[in-house]
Amino acid sequence: QSVLTQPPSVSGAPGQRVTISCTGGSSNFGAGYDVHWYQQIPGTAPKLLIYDNNKRLSGVPDRFSGSKSGSSASLAITGLQAEDEADYYCQSYDSSLSGWLFGGGTKLTVL
Amino acid sequence: QITLKESGPTLMKLRQMVTLTCNFSGFSLSSSEVGVGWIRQPPGKAPEWLGVIYWNEEKRYNPSLKSRLTITKDAPKNEVALTLSVLAPVDTATYYCVYTKLPSYSFFYWGQGILVTVSP
Repeated sequence: QSVLTQPPSVSGAPGQRVTISCTGGSSNFGAGYDVHWYQQIPGTAPKLLIYDNNKRLSGVPDRFSGSKSGSSASLAITGLQAEDEADYYCQSYDSSLSGWLFGGGTKLTVL
Repeated sequence: QITLKESGPTLMKLRQMVTLTCNFSGFSLSSSEVGVGWIRQPPGKAPEWLGVIYWNEEKRYNPSLKSRLTITKDAPKNEVALTLSVLAPVDTATYYCVYTKLPSYSFFYWGQGILVTVSP
């Protein structure tokens, strides 16, 4: 279906590793479309972190990595830092929608 | 360096029409595979894709808004405009223009956004 599902929230302590999942369906990930990940710090515009499943945009720390397998994708953040506290969104293209689709977002809290 | 900036009215009334302009620099909308899109984000909610216009004039619109939405470009002026008609309070959101480039379906760079509020 034309929905990307993310957990509402995740948390981790500084230095830890966290993952954020994004589950799609047969008309997006299952159809072979790539996943992209954005970070949004409150009060600012979203910023692209990972595109085409696992490519880091220039300037993005290598603590951020992405993967996709079948109808699921995930964003991993290692060496968690206080500045990583933000909302994270996955995004893909959907053939049923004939357009672009965003997940509902995951709020990352650094404990 | 690619930059985009949205401008336009920030307070609208029910059933009015709004036109937002995106002025960009650092790329040409005449270059192959380049596109400019619009995305909005209601307060406290996830982003929603509205539409995109490509270098070759191809336009794609969100089906849920297609009847109310128009996107145009003026490549020599480095401008893209979005017009949304018959506004309702549910259209209250921050509107972003974004840079995209095929074959990726990601949005590489975003403007700072403009908050448009629609009053009943």
